[in-house]
Amino acid sequence: GQSLEQPSEVTAVEGAIVQINCTYQTSGFYGLSWYQQHDGGAPTFLSYNALDGLEETGRFSSFLSRSDSYGYLLLQELQMKDSASYFCATFYGNNRLAFGKGNQVVVIP
Amino acid sequence: EADIYQTPRYLVIGTGKKITLECSQTMGHDKMYWYQQDPGMELHLIHYSYGVNSTEKGDLSSESTVSRIRTEHFPLTLESARPSHTSQYLCASSDGGSGANVLTFGAGSRLTVL
Repeated sequence: GQSLEQPSEVTAVEGAIVQINCTYQTSGFYGLSWYQQHDGGAPTFLSYNALDGLEETGRFSSFLSRSDSYGYLLLQELQMKDSASYFCATFYGNNRLAFGKGNQVVVIP
Repeated sequence: EADIYQTPRYLVIGTGKKITLECSQTMGHDKMYWYQQDPGMELHLIHYSYGVNSTEKGDLSSESTVSRIRTEHFPLTLESARPSHTSQYLCASSDGGSGANVLTFGAGSRLTVL
């Protein structure tokens, strides 16, 4: 089966840096993805790591260590619009995506 | 502009009624998915399809059924709604290509069964 663990909530001020961690346990690993979901909205894709290392996309970066079954999403220069839930997700089977419980980020002025 | 559409966005219905949640995508994606999400919780896969006439149940058991008669359309049906079916239902699609295999989600259908 699939299991993804994430801490539940973090509060940070504008301009700060937040790291959201994710540990996973899957039968077969096909990469770690990150999605953002604003309250009441649809999840939207942020980034994907298939190999170990850091992927950078603007203010957001994602890291993967396959040997540790661990990854993180780094949010830099936090803005109010970054207040949302962030989910890590892994593929299993044939293109099926399993999500972690999510981490709510609250950005305050 | 959204490329995957879900209707209705909100539905309040009485116990025992039959409901169909519609999902359509204009991207020509072969793979489509239904996820169920309670407030503040993770998304659970309840159905998926790899193409026309292909449907499979997901990891979370659901009394709903789906059909895939056309590539762009993946409706979900509950024959007899119950309060335990109250949740948000999210439809998604992907082209299933190599690499990230990004899922594009619809805005969701929020169902309340009284």
